[in-house]
Amino acid sequence: SQTIHQWPATLVQPVGSPLSLECTVEGTSNPNLYWYRQAAGRGLQLLFYSVGIGQISSEVPQNLSASRPQDRQFILSSKKLLLSDSGFYLCAWSTRGEQFFGPGTRLTVL
Amino acid sequence: GESVGLHLPTLSVQEGDNSIINCAYSNSASDYFIWYKQESGKGPQFIIDIRSNMDKRQGQRVTVLLNKTVKHLSLQIAATQPGDSAVYFCAEINQAGTALIFGKGTTLSVSS
Repeated sequence: SQTIHQWPATLVQPVGSPLSLECTVEGTSNPNLYWYRQAAGRGLQLLFYSVGIGQISSEVPQNLSASRPQDRQFILSSKKLLLSDSGFYLCAWSTRGEQFFGPGTRLTVL
Repeated sequence: GESVGLHLPTLSVQEGDNSIINCAYSNSASDYFIWYKQESGKGPQFIIDIRSNMDKRQGQRVTVLLNKTVKHLSLQIAATQPGDSAVYFCAEINQAGTALIFGKGTTLSVSS
């Protein structure tokens, strides 16, 4: 069966510090991978998606970036965090349309 | 543009009642829709999906209705239970067919 992992589960970082969130998927090959951000009490905003290794599409301009160094690994990064980067970050994968979500990372930027 | 919205941000029901959560979408070319349930602090969980060649699809205690004429989607939950309390999101596939566009969510509260 397929599983998706995200870590860390929670993170508190100072403004201006770097960020690296990791997502890995098991049990499937060549999935589409996604990073979403969810602000408190809000819906999900698509940040990046990837259809293959090294292929990244950005949906919104921001100070975040994503990379896919391996087929089932998706990384969300920032060189300098902003207060507005606080939120709940969700990774998801899909192969036929339906998306399966990871447990999320709660990021607080102080 | 692409947008998916919900009619009501909150819905409160009594245990045992039937719940109906509504969603309107704007992209008439969308052909795939999903309902997700998100409990506090967790990632969204797939509930049920429907393709545009269908008007209705049933699952266990849940039914999704699709009205393409008015671009309206609804989720019906039968005999709502306290464990159904969560935020419910509808989502549609984007124009490129590569990602889902999510609505803002409806918070369902079930009281005993």
